Amino acid sequence: QLQVQESGPGLVKPSETLSLTCTVSGGSISSRSYYWGWIRQPPGKGLEWIGSGYYSGSISYNPSLKSRVTMSVDTSKNQLSLDLSSVTAADTAVYYCARGDGRDESFDMWGQGTMVTVSS
Amino acid sequence: QSALTQPASVSGSLGQSITISCTGTSSDVGGYNYVSWYQQLPAKAPKLIIYDVNKRPSGVSNRFSGSKSGNTASLTISGLQAEDEANYYCCSYAGSSIFVFGSGTEVTVL
Repeated sequence: QLQVQESGPGLVKPSETLSLTCTVSGGSISSRSYYWGWIRQPPGKGLEWIGSGYYSGSISYNPSLKSRVTMSVDTSKNQLSLDLSSVTAADTAVYYCARGDGRDESFDMWGQGTMVTVSS
Repeated sequence: QSALTQPASVSGSLGQSITISCTGTSSDVGGYNYVSWYQQLPAKAPKLIIYDVNKRPSGVSNRFSGSKSGNTASLTISGLQAEDEANYYCCSYAGSSIFVFGSGTEVTVL
């Protein structure tokens, strides 16, 4: 059964880079029908799409975050990574990794999420 | 790219039907039939309940239904049950592999 697991530091200092990894198990990250996305949710607020990565290496980013975000797909490790630079308190959120279905453009499987706090 | 507009809260009595709206633009909701809806229970990850505007994944109750007219999509929950208390989010494809989520709606069962 496919599982999605986010991992990374729970605390990041302001102005530093937040780095997270999403590990897919029980299946391949390289399926042509699917892509993988990062979505975040600040405490008490709504969901925000950060970006999506495709097995081909193609990446799409939220225009509002594009200048600070770098994502990559490592098919050998079945992992999706996220780097968010120059973080501030506004980047404090639960970060989710989710599988996107290219046939209907929906996110059909989500990890449990990982809380990241930006604080000195 | 702004968040899609949803009412902050909607409430209904047990057994009633409620509808949640999701308003975007011709560049997202109105431009593609790729609207999805997610249910988020407290302290849980979101769960897909509607895709392609009006299709339900296997295992999702047929009390959930979706529709779209112009730049506004809607989620209807029929026969409201206590277990439906949750936050609901719409999401639309906006072209060029970009997505936008709605602002979220808190559903309360009276």
